[in-house]
Amino acid sequence: KQEVTQIPAALSVPEGENLVLNCSFTDSAIYNLQWFRQDPGKGLTSLLLIQSSQREQTSGRLNASLDKSSGRSTLYIAASQPGDSATYLCAVRLSGNQFYFGTGTSLTVIP
Amino acid sequence: EAGVAQSPRYKIIEKRQSVAFWCNPISGHATLYWYQQILGQGPKLLIQFQNNGVVDDSQLPKDRFSAERLKGVDSTLKIQPAKLEDSAVYLCASSLEYRGNYEQYFGPGTRLTVT
Repeated sequence: KQEVTQIPAALSVPEGENLVLNCSFTDSAIYNLQWFRQDPGKGLTSLLLIQSSQREQTSGRLNASLDKSSGRSTLYIAASQPGDSATYLCAVRLSGNQFYFGTGTSLTVIP
Repeated sequence: EAGVAQSPRYKIIEKRQSVAFWCNPISGHATLYWYQQILGQGPKLLIQFQNNGVVDDSQLPKDRFSAERLKGVDSTLKIQPAKLEDSAVYLCASSLEYRGNYEQYFGPGTRLTVT
């Protein structure tokens, strides 16, 4: 069974700092990996999707990388802002249409 | 483009009662998912539909949960009877699943409290 782990569980940083969130998975036979943002009491907003054949994806201040062989993905956030405060979740999709989410990293950016 | 719609947003029921949730996916999205998210955990897939057929329901507690997507568009998820441990946010998501586009789009969720 696929296990998805996110470290750290919580992170607090001052505004303007660059930061990295980590996601690891046990089964490297993934189809894709998706990073989401979840604000309190709301649904998930897709940030970046990386196909298994890709190494990274970028959107604005966000950069996600994927290393299938080591079972790891990172989400890099540049020049963090208070509006980035949220829970960040990664999800892996296996080729058999099975999805597994991590438990998330709760990020607080302090003004 | 309208997003995934869900209703109700909140529901409080007593244990052993029944409840139903509704989801309307993004227009044209063939695949629809229902997830259960317990506080402090990541979402867990309950059931996945491709049009009106079930692709995966391996984690759906079939003794009390049921879901349908009769016309391949809207979907309903029902719990009968509810237990205390069913308290969670129920998320609906959809994806296009066409030409490699498998990105999931989520609705706002329904927060269920069972007392």
